Amino acid sequence: QKEVEQNSGPLSVPEGAIASLNCTYSDRVSQSFFWYRQYSGKSPELIMSIYSNGDKEDGRFTAQLNKASQYVSLLIRDSQPSDSATYLCAVNEGGGGADGLTFGKGTHLIIQP
Amino acid sequence: DTGVSQDPRHKITKRGQNVTFRCDPISEHNRLYWYRQTLGQGPEFLTYFQNEAQLEKSRLLSDRFSAERPKGSFSTLEIQRTEQGDSAMYLCASSSHWGSSSTDTQYFGPGTRLTVL
Repeated sequence: QKEVEQNSGPLSVPEGAIASLNCTYSDRVSQSFFWYRQYSGKSPELIMSIYSNGDKEDGRFTAQLNKASQYVSLLIRDSQPSDSATYLCAVNEGGGGADGLTFGKGTHLIIQP
Repeated sequence: DTGVSQDPRHKITKRGQNVTFRCDPISEHNRLYWYRQTLGQGPEFLTYFQNEAQLEKSRLLSDRFSAERPKGSFSTLEIQRTEQGDSAMYLCASSSHWGSSSTDTQYFGPGTRLTVL
């Protein structure tokens, strides 16, 4: 049984600060890792993808992957009120294996103005 | 690029009725996925297609559920004899997948919210 674990929150962060979101996964063969943002009542929107150990930066977002620890994180710098949403961590095997994403329950992030 | 579209956006039905949802993927994408999401949970994978072939089905996909993608373009998800537990957001996603080493990224449609009374 593949599992993806996230702290459900809410995680409250002051505007302008760094928000740190964490995710652990159980399946060691996981190859592809994704962060999605979901506003209430809307569908998931892709924020970042990461496939190799280390950091990947895209604007205010940085994804970090540590396959040995089965850990992936998302940092949001200079947090804005519009970043308030639920952030979903998702993994899949990739590489021709089972390709349905396994999602965590999401972390509810609140950016306080 | 018009993105993934789903129809209808909302559906209210009575228990025991059949419902059908449609998904149109991003035009150049060859893979299409169906997920279900309930309140407070992440999306749960149901099934996916590569072109017209249904390659994987989750244990969540009971025999009341059936999905098709007859021409490798749009897909339909039908739920027969709906139950109150089927109330959820049904999400469709698509991706472009070529080769065993592909790391395709899934893009989601707006979803269809089903309420079973």
